Amino acid sequence: DTAVSQTPKYLVTQMGNDKSIKCEQNLGHDTMYWYKQDSKKFLKIMFSYNNKELIINETVPNRFSPKSPDKAHLNLHINSLELGDSAVYFCASSQDLRGHGYTFGSGTRLTVV
Amino acid sequence: KNEVEQSPQNLTAQEGEFITINCSYSVGISALHWLQQHPGGGIVSLFMLSSGKKKHGRLIATINIQEKHSSLHITASHPRDSAVYICAVSGAQKLVFGQGTRLTINP
Repeated sequence: DTAVSQTPKYLVTQMGNDKSIKCEQNLGHDTMYWYKQDSKKFLKIMFSYNNKELIINETVPNRFSPKSPDKAHLNLHINSLELGDSAVYFCASSQDLRGHGYTFGSGTRLTVV
Repeated sequence: KNEVEQSPQNLTAQEGEFITINCSYSVGISALHWLQQHPGGGIVSLFMLSSGKKKHGRLIATINIQEKHSSLHITASHPRDSAVYICAVSGAQKLVFGQGTRLTINP
């Protein structure tokens, strides 16, 4: 009965590989997000989607491509992984764009070697 | 300078003490959020405020819109309150985060 679930929890991969992180919410929320937490624990928005429509793309390299097949899912695909992509990636959802009911997934720790 | 500044960055206290964490922001906002991140990494939303004060158990959050300032208080602190507390502001359809305050409560 997890509200926002993301998989995998841990991902270790080599430079140059392509990988995906999946996110699903069962809260009926309209808005979903991807955030990146760097080594200094600072969180920053990457993307937001509202009802499957891209709202924010925060100057993220185009190697990162989000995909929202429906409003309950927001997956993140990363091409040609680089060492600097190593971080914890959090998926989140909220009822609306104003941010009511913000709920975070448990995070995916990506390590690029 | 970050749009959202928290203080202190680190705080260590004894069990039972009254804790205050401060957050100042420099941008227009629709709401302010307080989040808690435990050592295991998960993030939990504690409060969403647009005015006044909210209370949940031993936690109290206040916001002063005119002064662009919010505080998070913990009464009768307990070691299980040890975590990173993050202030974030809603505006332009996204959250902008402070750098977090690492709180350690010793028994």
